Amino acid sequence: GAGVSQSPSNKVTEKGKDVELRCDPISGHTALYWYRQSLGQGLEFLIYFQGNSAPDKSGLPSDRFSAERTGGSVSTLTIQRTQQEDSAVYLCASSPVGTGGISDTQYFGPGTRLTVL
Amino acid sequence: TQLLEQSPQFLSIQEGENLTVYCNSSSVFSSLQWYRQEPGEGPVLLVTVVTGGEVKKLKRLTFQFGDARKDSSLHITAAQPGDTGLYLCAGALGAGNNRKLIWGLGTSLAVNP
Repeated sequence: GAGVSQSPSNKVTEKGKDVELRCDPISGHTALYWYRQSLGQGLEFLIYFQGNSAPDKSGLPSDRFSAERTGGSVSTLTIQRTQQEDSAVYLCASSPVGTGGISDTQYFGPGTRLTVL
Repeated sequence: TQLLEQSPQFLSIQEGENLTVYCNSSSVFSSLQWYRQEPGEGPVLLVTVVTGGEVKKLKRLTFQFGDARKDSSLHITAAQPGDTGLYLCAGALGAGNNRKLIWGLGTSLAVNP
């Protein structure tokens, strides 16, 4: 079946512009995660959606970052007034459970590579 | 503060050699996962270990969870060029809706033919 998809695969923008990154999770997965991966920095948790619960936004680095998940499916990560330090690969993952089950598996998309000039 | 330390950070070996990478923490995890990430792709789950002392094997890969559930190792026997990639460990802290995965920075492995 279809995996997690993300678009665009690459995005080059100018400093100060807003960008929107899209994630289509695996159908039926209730949990959705956004991560940021910079060279040498590993995976940095950004935000977590689980069903109809309030999202866990504890990883968002500033108020320029926001995310929505409409209808419990597609998610959009928005970065306003982009800065050069926002350049990274933004990864989305979905999980069928996301409620703390110890066998939880996150299925990742290929990521969006964001470059802020 | 990095709660999960992976070592080595980089490893370059010849085909056929054995290697071990480590994932260490002072925290106790309810479970720990190993992922492999290839360039331009997202991480893919290799294994989940749950019980202290647990050993799991996946073909030439052997995963061990420490007795105290604070550390883990991944051993690869007779490495192949196809094993090249970034190996990430992720430990689960908390439970229920408070559960979070803590990620290591990864070990970048290059297996040369």
